[in-house]
Amino acid sequence: AQKVTQAQTEISVVEKEDVTLDCVYETRDTTYYLFWYKQPPSGELVFLIRRNSFDEQNEISGRYSWNFQKSTSSFNFTITASQVVDSAVYFCALSEGSNTGKLIFGQGTTLQVKP
Amino acid sequence: DAGVIQSPRHEVTEMGQEVTLRCKPISGHDYLFWYRQTMMRGLELLIYFNNNVPIDDSGMPEDRFSAKMPNASFSTLKIQPSEPRDSAVYFCASSFYRGYDEQFFGPGTRLTVL
Repeated sequence: AQKVTQAQTEISVVEKEDVTLDCVYETRDTTYYLFWYKQPPSGELVFLIRRNSFDEQNEISGRYSWNFQKSTSSFNFTITASQVVDSAVYFCALSEGSNTGKLIFGQGTTLQVKP
Repeated sequence: DAGVIQSPRHEVTEMGQEVTLRCKPISGHDYLFWYRQTMMRGLELLIYFNNNVPIDDSGMPEDRFSAKMPNASFSTLKIQPSEPRDSAVYFCASSFYRGYDEQFFGPGTRLTVL
């Protein structure tokens, strides 16, 4: 069965520190998609990135970067030079199948960035 | 575009009452999803539709829950009768025509059942 594990429940850092959020997944599908969503204190979920199982290239978007490693079934998310506005709950998610739209979410990691 | 619209934003009701949550997806999106978020269980997919047709309702907890999508611009999630354990934030999300497209979430409805 598919499963997403975010072992870090809460992380607290001081502004400008780098922080990595871990995500480990389990699936028997050969084609699948991985996602990261952000849930700020206001409550809505905001899409950050999607990665398919055939593309292991790391991606960088501003201060955000993602490291996808199929060998370890991990899709980790790093925020460089964190800011207070990065404080949120971050969810990693796995698609069930290649085109079902059904997402399995991890339990989320609460990131607190202190000034 | 206005994004996914949900109403009401907050609902407080008493056990046994019927509750109806509403969602308007983003125009042109073919998929619509209903999620529930609680501290204990996290984010759970309840049901999703493709082109107004329910595809997978395996996440619907009980027969007390039902969802409909009468047209491409409107969906409802109904709980009848409601129970205190249904208290949660309910999110609606929509996405484009491929199942793996990013999902755009609404602001959620915070339901409290007393």
